[in-house]
Amino acid sequence: AQTVTQSQPEMSVQEAETVTLSCTYDTSESNYYLFWYKQPPSRQMILVIRQEAYKQQNATENRFSVNFQKAAKSFSLKISDSQLGDTAMYFCAFMKTLKNARQLTFGSGTQLTVLP
Amino acid sequence: SQTIHQWPATLVQPVGSPLSLECTVEGTSNPNLYWYRQAAGRGLQLLFYSVGIGQISSEVPQNLSASRPQDRQFILSSKKLLLSDSGFYLCAWSEGSGRGNEQYFGPGTRLTVT
Repeated sequence: AQTVTQSQPEMSVQEAETVTLSCTYDTSESNYYLFWYKQPPSRQMILVIRQEAYKQQNATENRFSVNFQKAAKSFSLKISDSQLGDTAMYFCAFMKTLKNARQLTFGSGTQLTVLP
Repeated sequence: SQTIHQWPATLVQPVGSPLSLECTVEGTSNPNLYWYRQAAGRGLQLLFYSVGIGQISSEVPQNLSASRPQDRQFILSSKKLLLSDSGFYLCAWSEGSGRGNEQYFGPGTRLTVT
């Protein structure tokens, strides 16, 4: 079974600075997807970024980028130029293939607070 | 563009009462649909998924059931609620036929069982 571990329950960062959220996972599969989702106080789950395991290049979406280390099974999220609106719970998720569907396994989350 | 709706947004129900939560998707056909539960301060746990009308797969044994009476409608039900059913329930969709590698979530329903 896949497991996803986020070892930082809470983090804070000053506005405009950079912060990195950690995630490790365990799987025996060779092809999979990894995601970071953001859940602000509204509790809407918002997709931030995704990474295909077969791609060596790290994914980037504007101020968000990942450091994907497949051998180490590590998938960290870097947020540059942090903004107050980035305050949210961040979840790392692993996707495996079910029969014609996909299953997301989530970590326990990291609560990020951006300080003014 | 695709949108996903859930209702009600919040619900307070006594132990032993029935439950029906509804999720609908607009702007796509034959989506895969998912129900997740999020306990307080925790990540999400997949409860059910569906790849088509009437096709339901359960990931964890529990007091709940799911149904898909129409292509873009997914319902989560219970005949008798337990205190442990309290939580935040999220519906999600992805493209069907094995093409969808991203899941998009609805706004969620906060259920409190008293």
